[in-house]
Amino acid sequence: DAKTTQPTSMDCAEGRAANLPCNHSTISGNEYVYWYRQIHSQGPQYIIHGLKNNETNEMASLIITEDRKSSTLILPHATLRDTAVYYCIVGLTDSWGKLQFGAGTQVVVTP
Amino acid sequence: DAMVIQNPRYQVTQFGKPVTLSCSQTLNHNVMYWYQQKSSQAPKLLFHYYDKDFNNEADTPDNFQSRRPNTSFCFLDIRSPGLGDAAMYLCATSISPGLAGFVQFFGPGTRLTVL
Repeated sequence: DAKTTQPTSMDCAEGRAANLPCNHSTISGNEYVYWYRQIHSQGPQYIIHGLKNNETNEMASLIITEDRKSSTLILPHATLRDTAVYYCIVGLTDSWGKLQFGAGTQVVVTP
Repeated sequence: DAMVIQNPRYQVTQFGKPVTLSCSQTLNHNVMYWYQQKSSQAPKLLFHYYDKDFNNEADTPDNFQSRRPNTSFCFLDIRSPGLGDAAMYLCATSISPGLAGFVQFFGPGTRLTVL
């Protein structure tokens, strides 16, 4: 499975958009990009995933570059409850959904 | 609401004393996973079940075993816990392969302390 590179930490002001980058330069054609987050002392929570096209749901938007070597997770209006570690993961569709978590990005939303 | 439930949330055991952690789900998903997350580290997959088929990760110690008596329940058994096994243990589920991508639903975790 491809590896990902994310910044260690980011700060974001409450009410502003948070843009979380992820590099996955070795991604293969059949690998999805997944984003999960983990609030302190809780289990990880699924946010969004995509293959090639940009995706949007009620939580966030996922922008994948045309060459698929990087992506950005956008939280449109960050709240204090969005403070968490955000994991960008790439995974095969035929690997039984195995998720290889990297170090993630610690996002702190400040008032 | 459909969910993944883990009991207990906090478990304290003694060095070498077997311990069992439990996970149940109301999602009717046929894939269940167990992850280990040590302090300040990312979750690490231990093993998973696809229905009753057990799949162990290559680097999962033999000290860790699992049982899945039915679709709803899955257990993690640690036969002889060591101090290094203190961690958060996370259970997750997903729907069977064949759909576009895998979305895993995680429980709240059980924090294991080994004295």
